[in-house]
Amino acid sequence: DADVTQTPRNRITKTGKRIMLECSQTKGHDRMYWYRQDPGLGLRLIYYSFDVKDINKGEISDGYSVSRQAQAKFSLSLESAIPNQTALYFCATSEPGTSGGNEQFFGPGTRLTVL
Amino acid sequence: QKEVEQNSGPLSVPEGAIASLNCTYSDRGSQSFFWYRQYSGKSPELIMSIYSNGDKEDGRFTAQLNKASQYVSLLIRDSQPSDSATYLCAVEDSGGYQKVTFGTGTKLQVIP
Repeated sequence: DADVTQTPRNRITKTGKRIMLECSQTKGHDRMYWYRQDPGLGLRLIYYSFDVKDINKGEISDGYSVSRQAQAKFSLSLESAIPNQTALYFCATSEPGTSGGNEQFFGPGTRLTVL
Repeated sequence: QKEVEQNSGPLSVPEGAIASLNCTYSDRGSQSFFWYRQYSGKSPELIMSIYSNGDKEDGRFTAQLNKASQYVSLLIRDSQPSDSATYLCAVEDSGGYQKVTFGTGTKLQVIP
């Protein structure tokens, strides 16, 4: 079974709709992240959470919100979707490596299309 | 804005050759560096971490780090068609919270 799962895997929605992307992990990691990936722009951090009570904005948080329901669950919401939020969204988890580095493990991704 | 720069490629190498992927970064205080492999339509997969200057080898992969030059590279020996993917360089920010900045990736094509 996958350590980091994301639902849905694909979603097509319309402008103005509210949508939630969900992430669950069985790795037991405290840290969780949401990224979006666009062609030519790479991975950009939307929000990150180091524990249930610690949620922080990333570089592109406008138009998004998150909820950390439990150590294992981290959800991303688009309150009113717009076409430029069409992208591939990844959830990731991490625990500091043996040398202290922030090695991250990614879920399979959600391909979101906003019409 | 912390930056991680990679040549987008594609970098084409023949099967069995050494592929050399390069990355430069702007955050002089960074201490942790990562290479991820991403197949088309799939999620990034961590393949190497490096924290000290010099070389780190893992199977056919060697990561090289030069903090003074703010340069990190990945060598893939005996390249195989299955190595064809996009390789993402990632650098951990020095400002606390251990955020990671990703490069846009280099696409590698291994020609049989």
